Amino acid sequence: GENVEQHPSTLSVQEGDSAVIKCTYSDSASNYFPWYKQELGKGPQLIIDIRSNVGEKKDQRIAVTLNKTAKHFSLHITETQPEDSAVYFCAPSGGSYIPTFGRGTSLIVHP
Amino acid sequence: EAGVTQFPSHSVIEKGQTVTLRCDPISGHDNLYWYRRVMGKEIKFLLHFVKESKQDESGMPNNRFLAERTGGTYSTLKVQPAELEDSGVYFCASSLSGLSPLHFGNGTRLTVT
Repeated sequence: GENVEQHPSTLSVQEGDSAVIKCTYSDSASNYFPWYKQELGKGPQLIIDIRSNVGEKKDQRIAVTLNKTAKHFSLHITETQPEDSAVYFCAPSGGSYIPTFGRGTSLIVHP
Repeated sequence: EAGVTQFPSHSVIEKGQTVTLRCDPISGHDNLYWYRRVMGKEIKFLLHFVKESKQDESGMPNNRFLAERTGGTYSTLKVQPAELEDSGVYFCASSLSGLSPLHFGNGTRLTVT
């Protein structure tokens, strides 16, 4: 099965700073790479995703970059705001169509 | 469109009792997944339905867990008898097709005492 690792497990930044979370996966057949945001008391919600034929995708302050050769993809958040504080999960999937979640990264944005 | 709904939101039961969790996916979503998160750990896959068929139940921990999706609409996950290690948050998610975004419910927090 897929092995997924996320780093860091906790990330503390000042408002306005940038945040980067990295996800490493093991299955070379993976071809769909989403990032989910989970707020307290809620289920994870998709914030951005990328497919294997694209190297980078951006949506306002959020971007995802993919390196298929090295088998990792990263979430980039610029100009962080307190409302970005949450737990972020990567969940790559591929041949089995079963998304495998990382352990999550707790992002704390200090005002 | 209505999102994925889960019931109950919280359940506290004693070891040895039975609990049934329910998930109503987004209408038209053939794919339905159950996941579980134990405090501070990863969100672990339990099983995957396509319509009413179990496609993959490799994540089900043991035969105390039984999932059904009669008619390909809502799904239930029954734990019988519950053990202490079954405590955690159970999430249901649905998607339109494979390799498309998952839409999650808010989860059921199960506490076994």
